[in-house]
Amino acid sequence: GDSVTQMEGPVTLSEEACLTINCTYTATGYPSLFWYVQYPGEGLQLLLKATKADDKGSNKGFEATYRKETTSFHLEKGSVQVSDSAVYFCALRYNAGNMLTFGGGTRLMVKP
Amino acid sequence: KAGVTQTPRYLIKTRGQQVTLSCSPISGHRSVSWYQQTPGQGLQFLFEYFSETQRNKGNFPGRFSGRQFSNSRSEMNVSTLELGDSALYLCASSQYRGQLDTEAFFGQGTRLTVV
Repeated sequence: GDSVTQMEGPVTLSEEACLTINCTYTATGYPSLFWYVQYPGEGLQLLLKATKADDKGSNKGFEATYRKETTSFHLEKGSVQVSDSAVYFCALRYNAGNMLTFGGGTRLMVKP
Repeated sequence: KAGVTQTPRYLIKTRGQQVTLSCSPISGHRSVSWYQQTPGQGLQFLFEYFSETQRNKGNFPGRFSGRQFSNSRSEMNVSTLELGDSALYLCASSQYRGQLDTEAFFGQGTRLTVV
């Protein structure tokens, strides 16, 4: 079946450092890919998405490119802030239906 | 536009009881899906409803059930609660547009504690 694998955390960075959170997937078809963020005590917020190969999703300084050849969707940000501290989830979904398959989540901690 | 609303936010139940959680989707969204989040198993898909019909179902026992009403509001029910059912239950809604679902928007969740 389909699956998503993320790098384990926590990832601890200093403010203004560069961030990369790795995400790879296994899928039988051609899913859409998503990054969601979860702040303490909250639900999930959509951070960015990509619906086909070579698409780049971007939002709030975060970027991720849908790489079909490496089945990856790594999350990147050039300069993190303390307010970026949260848990980040990579997920895939096929277009028909709303069933998301999530990775295990990566906790990011940014220190001032 | 109001977001996805889940009630209640917190719930404490005793083992063996049953519980019903409610989810009101974003206005105009006809698809509602439910997820269970636990530290050990992460985020797992429970089921999805679209126009009052279950469209997909995850790998959970029959004690977990759900339904959707004509106004797209959804409820999930867990019977004969077990300690392992303690989790954050998240609901998400999406809009169906041109044979495709748009991205899912999540509620804040219901934190269920079984004692």
